[in-house]
Amino acid sequence: SAVISQKPSRDICQRGTSLTIQCQVDSQVTMMFWYRQQPGQSLTLIATANQGSEATYESGFVIDKFPISRPNLTFSTLTVSNMSPEDSSIYLCSVAPPTDTQYFGPGTRLTVL
Amino acid sequence: AQKVTQAQTEISVVEKEDVTLDCVYETRDTTYYLFWYKQPPSGELVFLIRRNSFDEQNEISGRYSWNFQKSTSSFNFTITASQVVDSAVYFCALSEILNYGGSQGNLIFGKGTKLSVKP
Repeated sequence: SAVISQKPSRDICQRGTSLTIQCQVDSQVTMMFWYRQQPGQSLTLIATANQGSEATYESGFVIDKFPISRPNLTFSTLTVSNMSPEDSSIYLCSVAPPTDTQYFGPGTRLTVL
Repeated sequence: AQKVTQAQTEISVVEKEDVTLDCVYETRDTTYYLFWYKQPPSGELVFLIRRNSFDEQNEISGRYSWNFQKSTSSFNFTITASQVVDSAVYFCALSEILNYGGSQGNLIFGKGTKLSVKP
């Protein structure tokens, strides 16, 4: 199994500012994913972040708004830039170790005022 | 395109009742994984099961059981003798299998079913 931690666990931010979310895994994994869960909704993939390559973004998500770093096999960051109230969501990272299931971090609850 | 449908938005039962959560999926892949996750009010996603498309055997884990039927593209989840602690949102999800090593891609989630178990 993989144990994932995220920082911060929650934050309240002002419109127009940026927040960087950190995701730390206790083992080396190649594939890491970032998801968004808007209030009362399901999870939607933002991007796939593989170490050693540029993140791949899903339709509707752009690098300027959600820049991602993946400096090594145990760590990644997601930045939510120039925030608006519509960005209020839970942001979750997940990993998919080979031959194992997909594990999720505890999530970052973001509220934008 | 891949799609997961959970037609039941909300279900309410009384404790000790059995309840089945439905999940229907669409995929063009011949090999894939199916998942169920539980999301309690605290918000974390709790992994319940992963099933390989090759394995159609039903599975039982305590009060939980899963019925996978490829012929109807369904992967239903039954809770027997429900308890108040089972109250949560339950998500069914699908991913492709990327290679012979079994690595999986990102998850495609259904909209979730909110289960309320009343005492």
